[in-house]
Amino acid sequence: DTAVSQTPKYLVTQMGNDKSIKCEQNLGHDTMYWYKQDSKKFLKIMFSYNNKELIINETVPNRFSPKSPDKAHLNLHINSLELGDSAVYFCASSQGSGRYYEQYFGPGTRLTVT
Amino acid sequence: LAKTTQPISMDSYEGQEVNITCSHNNIATNDYITWYQQFPSQGPRFIIQGYKTKVTNEVASLFIPADRKSSTLSLPRVSLSDTAVYYCLVEENYGQNFVFGPGTRLSVLP
Repeated sequence: DTAVSQTPKYLVTQMGNDKSIKCEQNLGHDTMYWYKQDSKKFLKIMFSYNNKELIINETVPNRFSPKSPDKAHLNLHINSLELGDSAVYFCASSQGSGRYYEQYFGPGTRLTVT
Repeated sequence: LAKTTQPISMDSYEGQEVNITCSHNNIATNDYITWYQQFPSQGPRFIIQGYKTKVTNEVASLFIPADRKSSTLSLPRVSLSDTAVYYCLVEENYGQNFVFGPGTRLSVLP
């Protein structure tokens, strides 16, 4: 059974469009995250949610908005897509927030903006 | 913000021990260090986590010197399947933020 799943796996879209990436975890974890991995394989945290509260919000453009309908889901909505948004986006979850807790990553969503 | 550095790449042969070092110059006293492994087209996977001195599990060891300005992931007797990118992850502000290192691409040769 998949622990952390993301949909879609691939997303190709044009500049200016709005798109969403969905993430679900079946581990019963309290905290979920979104990471961006660029073409050079650098990983950077974007957001995390703990019990529906945003606890980390990196300096990402406000075109990116995380939405968590419940503890098992954290979706990422992106408005007015730009070429620089092309990357692989990873969702992750952990039992608690912050230290001590191993993060479980999803398979990633490769976003290509043309 | 913590700045982390790692070697870009390393080569090894099957059966050898591999040591990958991550430098984290301004890590705070109580921040943890974690290492992840990533295969192509997959998400990172947890390997080991530590705070000080030495930690060992079934797949790796983590050595952290007293000054905690670096940490070394040790993989004993690597195999071809250990070819991957290895990232160190440093937490900040008691887990309120995380900073990944740039990653080390390990190639294990037969």
